[in-house]
Amino acid sequence: DQQVKQNSPSLSVQEGRISILNCDYTNSMFDYFLWYKKYPAEGPTFLISISSIKDKNEDGRFTVFLNKSAKHLSLHIVPSQPGDSAVYFCAASGDGGTSYGKLTFGQGTILTVHP
Amino acid sequence: EPEVTQTPSHQVTQMGQEVILRCVPISNHLYFYWYRQILGQKVEFLVSFYNNEISEKSEIFDDQFSVERPDGSNFTLKIRSTKLEDSAMYFCASSGTGSRDTFGSGTRLTVV
Repeated sequence: DQQVKQNSPSLSVQEGRISILNCDYTNSMFDYFLWYKKYPAEGPTFLISISSIKDKNEDGRFTVFLNKSAKHLSLHIVPSQPGDSAVYFCAASGDGGTSYGKLTFGQGTILTVHP
Repeated sequence: EPEVTQTPSHQVTQMGQEVILRCVPISNHLYFYWYRQILGQKVEFLVSFYNNEISEKSEIFDDQFSVERPDGSNFTLKIRSTKLEDSAMYFCASSGTGSRDTFGSGTRLTVV
């Protein structure tokens, strides 16, 4: 099942620079997309989301961009901080952005931010 | 901040034994989920539960799996006869009106 793909298993960035994490999806029924962050020995923590009717959503240092025609989304973190070092998961759902419905996850990208 | 609580954090069981993984979702949430992550693989959806019944399940969620909300606070996942390939992190999640899935810290299940 490769409906949501994160092709970069890892990303290394200098503190203060931009981190860009990418995600592609194949299922055109997906209409809501989320990013989760995960530290070791913890569960995924919700970070930011975007509905398919938008192409950008911003929350502080985090911005998610959606390109529906390319079935691609990205998460930008500016400026990156060492505390951002974690595994980042892209997830998608076809529930219209309601608060319920299963999530389909990508494989995750390990982000390392160096001081 | 409200949390989803899972117990135990780590469970080791013999192949063929039954295990019950426990979760206490966020109190005002109405939708409950189990996901699992086999080491090195994706987080995979297992089952969703709403209004005291399963609302959706994946192909993974076969007859050896069951879920229950035995009282007003707990949400359990039972694996009847564990196999080696059931070894994984199992995450419980819950969601409510206007809030997306909040995950617990997971139970690491090791089948030996």
